[in-house]
Amino acid sequence: DQQVKQNSPSLSVQEGRISILNCDYTNSMFDYFLWYKKYPAEGPTFLISISSIKDKNEDGRFTVFLNKSAKHLSLHIVPSQPGDSAVYFCAASADNYGQNFVFGPGTRLSVLP
Amino acid sequence: DGGITQSPKYLFRKEGQNVTLSCEQNLNHDAMYWYRQDPGQGLRLIYYSQIVNDFQKGDIAEGYSVSREKKESFPLTVTSAQKNPTAFYLCASGLAGDLGGELFFGEGSRLTVL
Repeated sequence: DQQVKQNSPSLSVQEGRISILNCDYTNSMFDYFLWYKKYPAEGPTFLISISSIKDKNEDGRFTVFLNKSAKHLSLHIVPSQPGDSAVYFCAASADNYGQNFVFGPGTRLSVLP
Repeated sequence: DGGITQSPKYLFRKEGQNVTLSCEQNLNHDAMYWYRQDPGQGLRLIYYSQIVNDFQKGDIAEGYSVSREKKESFPLTVTSAQKNPTAFYLCASGLAGDLGGELFFGEGSRLTVL
């Protein structure tokens, strides 16, 4: 049973528009969430995080929103650029010691010029 | 430059053979992790280690073994008992006990069993 779900395997967006990637989780003990970006044949790179005490965190073009009651978070990229084309993973942790994250299956974002 | 180095990047193995994937980090991180990625799936945790000479099984540890004799190194052995070893393997490290920190990943090792 997947504890972290990304129900859209892929998403295509026009350059300059907003990309919205969604993530749902089932474990109410999760209290820290991250987004990673991954290019083919490379390791994931950290993008942005949010803890459960917040409902929004912003870093440049990237904003993550957390809705704890709905167990849902989303990543907004504005404006989208062709270099944003990658697979995006959502990850969640309930671990007070260490960082044992549970990863979602990923969403492949294609930003079209 | 600080980072995580995985080797080899590509590896072919015959069925029945053990193979060891290397992971070295110079970030002075206490915690190290091994994940496996299969198409259409997220990263699944194989083993992790929070401190030298100690490690714990993750969600899919069967058929794998690890050691943590040095802080910098966390090699993963894929044994012949692993029924479906062809996958992309990712090593990561982080600051143990630091809630709020992220994991840093290596570039991955792709293992193909012939």
